[in-house]
Order: sequence, then C-alpha cells, then structure tokens
Amino acid sequence: AQSVAQPEDQVNVAEGNPLTVKCTYSVSGNPYLFWYVQYPNRGLQFLLKYITGDNLVKGSYGFEAEFNKSQTSFHLKKPSALVSDSALYFCAVRVGSSNFGNEKLTFGTGTRLTIIP
Amino acid sequence: GAGVSQSPSNKVTEKGKDVELRCDPISGHTALYWYRQSLGQGLEFLIYFQGNSAPDKSGLPSDRFSAERTGGSVSTLTIQRTQQEDSAVYLCASSPDWNYNEQFFGPGTRLTVL
Repeated sequence: AQSVAQPEDQVNVAEGNPLTVKCTYSVSGNPYLFWYVQYPNRGLQFLLKYITGDNLVKGSYGFEAEFNKSQTSFHLKKPSALVSDSALYFCAVRVGSSNFGNEKLTFGTGTRLTIIP
Repeated sequence: GAGVSQSPSNKVTEKGKDVELRCDPISGHTALYWYRQSLGQGLEFLIYFQGNSAPDKSGLPSDRFSAERTGGSVSTLTIQRTQQEDSAVYLCASSPDWNYNEQFFGPGTRLTVL
C-alpha cells in the first residue's frame, strides 16, 4: 500500500518570505513523487516531480522540492512567496517501476497555502 | 494545444438517478485516469485505462460505478442510482503512455446529488 501525509491543512506566509509545504510518504519500493497545484475552479496543474537523480528538484513558478529518503519526505519550497502562489497544493506518490501496473497516483489531502500581502 | 476537457462542468441530479460524466483526453494520450475529490479530502483514485482496457479498477467504490473508453480516446464514467455520498468533483487525467510520469488533469465535473 502507498500513502501520503500532508500534516498541515493550512499554511499562511507573508509575501516575500520563504515558504514550505510539508509532505511525507509511504510506499513499497522506490517512490516517484509529485507536487500539483489547484487554483480555484480549475484542474490540477503539475509543478514538479522526483524520479531519480538529484534530491533537489526544480519546477514551475520558482518552486522546488527536496527528496529525503531517510525521512521519507518531499517538502515543497519557494525562497520568496508571491500572493499569486495562494492555492491548494497536493503531494502525490506512486511506486517507481517500469513494470506495467504501478501507474496509480496516491494523493495527500492537500494544503491550502495563503500568501498574505 | 488543447488540454483535457470534461463535460458537463456541473451536474445536479436527484438521488436514485443515473449520471454520465465525459472525459476527452489530450489527443494521442493512451493512458486515462479518473479520480474523485470530495470536500475536505484528497483525490481518490477510481480507475485507470491504457488504450481501451482498464487494468486497474481497484478504486471504484461500488458496483454502481462503471467506466468505459472507446476508440482509445473519450471515456465515460457512469454512476447508477446515485446517492448523496456520490457528491464530489470528478477529475479526469491523461498521460502520453502508461509509464509517462506526469498526468495532465481536466477541470473536473462537480456532481451534486440532492
């Protein structure tokens, strides 16, 4: 079984400050990890992913995430928050495998990020 | 290019009625996924298609739920005898193939069962 935990339902950050949205995961085998963002009345948009290689991955809109295998974490970060970053953020995991049958993504419950002007 | 589209965007129905939700994936994408997003919860996997076959139906919550995909393109999710607990946003996603890591999501269909 695979699971994702996003321990914070809500994160508030002042504009210009660094932000972190936390994610921990559980999966049997190597993880493929993802962050998606959902703006109001819109579908999910892909931000970034970790498959293999460097633990620090960079994605869209200046976001980055660090894969930490020992802590089974994949926290989302940004050095300087913008008001436009306010949205709902989802972390997701799947089993990392080239074998057919491991494609299902398991999502966390989401973290609502509010950037305060 | 065109993204994943879903119709209708909103659907209000009465308890006990059947509903059909449609998903048009990105042209050429062979993998298609259905998820459900309930208020205050994350996304719940429902079913996955590769081409016209559904190798993973493990997330369908009951036998009232079914889905099909024809011509390797459009997919329809059908809910029979709807219940109030079926109220949610139903999201569809597609990928170029089964092992392509990024899924592209549609805007969703908001289903309300009265």
